[in-house]
Amino acid sequence: GAGVSQTPSNKVTEKGKYVELRCDPISGHTALYWYRQSLGQGPEFLIYFQGTGAADDSGLPNDRFFAVRPEGSVSTLKIQRTERGDSAVYLCASSPLPRGGSTEAFFGQGTRLTVV
Amino acid sequence: DAKTTQPPSMDCAEGRAANLPCNHSTISGNEYVYWYRQIHSQGPQYIIHGLKNNETNEMASLIITEDRKSSTLILPHATLRDTAVYYCIAPRTGANNLFFGTGTRLTVIP
Repeated sequence: GAGVSQTPSNKVTEKGKYVELRCDPISGHTALYWYRQSLGQGPEFLIYFQGTGAADDSGLPNDRFFAVRPEGSVSTLKIQRTERGDSAVYLCASSPLPRGGSTEAFFGQGTRLTVV
Repeated sequence: DAKTTQPPSMDCAEGRAANLPCNHSTISGNEYVYWYRQIHSQGPQYIIHGLKNNETNEMASLIITEDRKSSTLILPHATLRDTAVYYCIAPRTGANNLFFGTGTRLTVIP
C-alpha cells in the first residue's frame, strides 16, 4: 500500500508569506506526527495528533505555527508570516497505534521549505 | 526520553558486519529502545525495537545488555545502501514523540 505522502516536495516562499504543507498518512493510522529537520540535525518534534485532536503541540516553536487534521486523516501544517529561520525539511509520520504502545512510526519524504 | 549517547560517525567495509553502539544508562524498566535510520534526502525509516530480549528481523539484529544500559544494532552484511545516519531512541513510556538526537553517521566503504 501507499506510504505517507507529503506535498509539495519542495516549497520556496518569500519572507512574510503564508504557507501550507500537506500530509497524507497511511490509511487507517490514527496517530500523526509533524517533525522539523534542520541541516545536520536530527528531526525535532512539532506536534502529535491522535485522531482529529492535537494531543501534544508542545514542539511548535511559536504561534505562527499551526496544524489541523479535521477528519482524522489528512493533516495540514500552516506557517504564518514565514521567516528565514523557518527554512527546513518538514517531516510527517503516522503510526497505527497511540505512541504509548510499542509501535513504529512511518515517515514521509518530507517537504523542503525555503524562505527567501 | 532516556538520554542516549552514540558515536557521531563510523565506517564499515562493504560485506562486513556493522555494529552500532548506543548507551542509554538512564533507561527505565518499561522503556523500549528503537532504532531508525535516515538515508540522505529521505525520511527516517524504522529498523527495529526491543525491550529486554535480543531481537532480529530482516534488516538487523538488536542486542540489549542484561542491565539494559546499552544496546548494539548489528547490520550483518553491510552494503553501500546502508550508508545513513542511524538513530537510537529510548522514548519515555507514553511519550507522544521520538527524540532523535544527532545519531551515528555510518559510511559503508567499498
